[in-house]
Amino acid sequence: GEDVEQSLFLSVREGDSSVINCTYTDSSSTYLYWYKQEPGAGLQLLTYIFSNMDMKQDQRLTVLLNKKDKHLSLRIADTQTGDSAIYFCAESPYGGSQGNLIFGKGTKLSVKP
Amino acid sequence: DTAVSQTPKYLVTQMGNDKSIKCEQNLGHDTMYWYKQDSKKFLKIMFSYNNKELIINETVPNRFSPKSPDKAHLNLHINSLELGDSAVYFCASSQGLLRLNEKLFFGSGTQLSVL
Repeated sequence: GEDVEQSLFLSVREGDSSVINCTYTDSSSTYLYWYKQEPGAGLQLLTYIFSNMDMKQDQRLTVLLNKKDKHLSLRIADTQTGDSAIYFCAESPYGGSQGNLIFGKGTKLSVKP
Repeated sequence: DTAVSQTPKYLVTQMGNDKSIKCEQNLGHDTMYWYKQDSKKFLKIMFSYNNKELIINETVPNRFSPKSPDKAHLNLHINSLELGDSAVYFCASSQGLLRLNEKLFFGSGTQLSVL
């Protein structure tokens, strides 16, 4: 069945880069997403990548996709304390529709000053 | 100002009861959703409404009935609650229909515990 795995915790120092990793199982997934959940708030879409891309950069965010290994990563450059949140990886096994998403358990990113 | 708010935040109830979870969004969005996060933390779509019309209805027991009195509200009513209904339920909204780069805004979740 579909499954999305990610490590549960990551701690970095302010100014360092953070790399959050994710593996997924459904090779038919056309789109893969990163969501951010700040404390006490809901989920918000950070970025997404098409399965035919290897990399996508959006300001401080870089998404890398290794489709062969079904591995997705999110790199945050110059991590700030405001980046402290839970980051969810998600795949779309039905292709393109954000309504049909399988989420990982989330990685809690702690940024120390 | 909370964009997507759902109440209650916690709901503890006995098996067999009927309960409702309310959701409201003040973003002026046309589309609203209900997701269920199961014990393995997977978020799965249950329903989606666009301008008060049901557009997604995944395989969900018919004990679950969404109600959208207007496009700013999507409530979830659950009849005859079962132990397996225990989960966190998330409401969400988006400006339009499920376009790829459409931003989804989620509520903070309702933790339902059925005893």
